Amino acid sequence: DGGITQSPKYLFRKEGQNVTLSCEQNLNHDAMYWYRQDPGQGLRLIYYSQIVNDFQKGDIAEGYSVSREKKESFPLTVTSAQKNPTAFYLCASSHTWRAGEQYFGPGTRLTVT
Amino acid sequence: EDKVVQSPLSLVVHEGDTVTLNCSYEVTNFRSLLWYKQEKKAPTFLFMLTSSGIEKKSGRLSSILDKKELFSILNITATQTGDSAVYLCAVEAESRGGTSYGKLTFGQGTILTVHP
Repeated sequence: DGGITQSPKYLFRKEGQNVTLSCEQNLNHDAMYWYRQDPGQGLRLIYYSQIVNDFQKGDIAEGYSVSREKKESFPLTVTSAQKNPTAFYLCASSHTWRAGEQYFGPGTRLTVT
Repeated sequence: EDKVVQSPLSLVVHEGDTVTLNCSYEVTNFRSLLWYKQEKKAPTFLFMLTSSGIEKKSGRLSSILDKKELFSILNITATQTGDSAVYLCAVEAESRGGTSYGKLTFGQGTILTVHP
């Protein structure tokens, strides 16, 4: 079955630690995205990538980093510089020629204490 | 800065009712407007509306886009409990080259609750 997976579902970390969230897709999509969702709010774009080895900052990139070494994978690192990292993180992918139609993974809920 | 505002923020109805969800937007170089449904965790795509397609229908759901007044509505007729979800509106801006980055700006969502 084609789809997009994220792991883990829940992640707990201590303040000051970096943490990496996994995102894998087998939909053969070129474009991938990372969003953050806070309670009662819509999604905010962190980073996006249209092609392997290339990515751009979204609206709230500070304190985050990404890599795109493989078409299928787009891991997100939440660094200790992110001041308020506790949130629900969603990964998505799409074809570049219809980029608005995005397919989302099940999300990772990160709690930092 | 691109901006999307949805209303109402929440709505409670009974099965069989018809609902209308609103989305207004401000975006530089509009490319498309999207509607997504978020039931538990992952949003799922509903509609994409562009200049060439201002109205979409899929079963009990329909959506229109008014590019002049910069808003869209999502209608759900004969609501069912399975329609209970958060409905997200987003706009996509066009890059300078006329292509798309897929860079979406989302509204805060409308929480729809349908009681039996």
